[in-house]
Amino acid sequence: ETGVTQTPRHLVMGMTNKKSLKCEQHLGHNAMYWYKQSAKKPLELMFVYSLEERVENNSVPSRFSPECPNSSHLFLHLHTLQPEDSALYLCASSQEQQSRYEQYFGPGTRLTVT
Amino acid sequence: KNQVEQSPQSLIILEGKNCTLQCNYTVSPFSNLRWYKQDTGRGPVSLTIMTFSENTKSNGRYTATLDADTKQSSLHITASQLSDSASYICVVRAAGNKLTFGGGTRVLVKP
Repeated sequence: ETGVTQTPRHLVMGMTNKKSLKCEQHLGHNAMYWYKQSAKKPLELMFVYSLEERVENNSVPSRFSPECPNSSHLFLHLHTLQPEDSALYLCASSQEQQSRYEQYFGPGTRLTVT
Repeated sequence: KNQVEQSPQSLIILEGKNCTLQCNYTVSPFSNLRWYKQDTGRGPVSLTIMTFSENTKSNGRYTATLDADTKQSSLHITASQLSDSASYICVVRAAGNKLTFGGGTRVLVKP
C-alpha cells in the first residue's frame, strides 16, 4: 500500500444524489490531487491543493466540489452528476507541489452514475 | 499542444518473454518523464523517473530509456512474469509543473 487511502472504493449513485469521496494520506505530504480516469482515456488532472490552498482547477464542472480541511485529508463532493462522470477517481499526494517530487496514488474510487 | 502518445495500446506476451513499450511526447519545455505501473483496481505506482540528462534507468526487470532529442522513451520488461500484467502509463512533466499523461499500454502476460 502507498500510504494514500480512499473511501469508498466503489460507489453507485443516481443523478440526483449527493455523495462525497474521501482521501487521506499518511505520508506527511503538503500537496494533494484529484484525478479522473475514464476507460481508454489518459488520466485527467482535476484539482491541485498545496498547503491546503487550491492552486489548480482544470475547467472542472461545478458539480464537482473539492475540499481540503487539512494537509492530510481531501474530499470531492459530488452532486447532480451525469452518466459520463462514471469513472475511476484517483487521489494522489506529493511532498511538495514541485516537479522533482513523486506523486503517490491511492487505489481510487470506482464511481458509477446511473 | 502538449501530447503524450503510447504504443501499443495493448500487448499480450508469454511469461518469460521480453517486451518494449513506447512513449512519444511533444511536451515542451521538458522537465522529467515517469513510467507508472497500474494494476487493475489500484492506483498507479512509479517505476522510474528520468530527467533530461539521463538516457537509461533500471528498476529490477524494468529498464526505461529516454532520447530527449527525438522526444521518445521506452520501457523494456525483461523475463516477464504474470505479475507484470498491468497498465503502464507514461507521464511527462513540463517545466512549470504541468503534467501530461499518456493513454497507457495494457500488458497481459500469459502462462
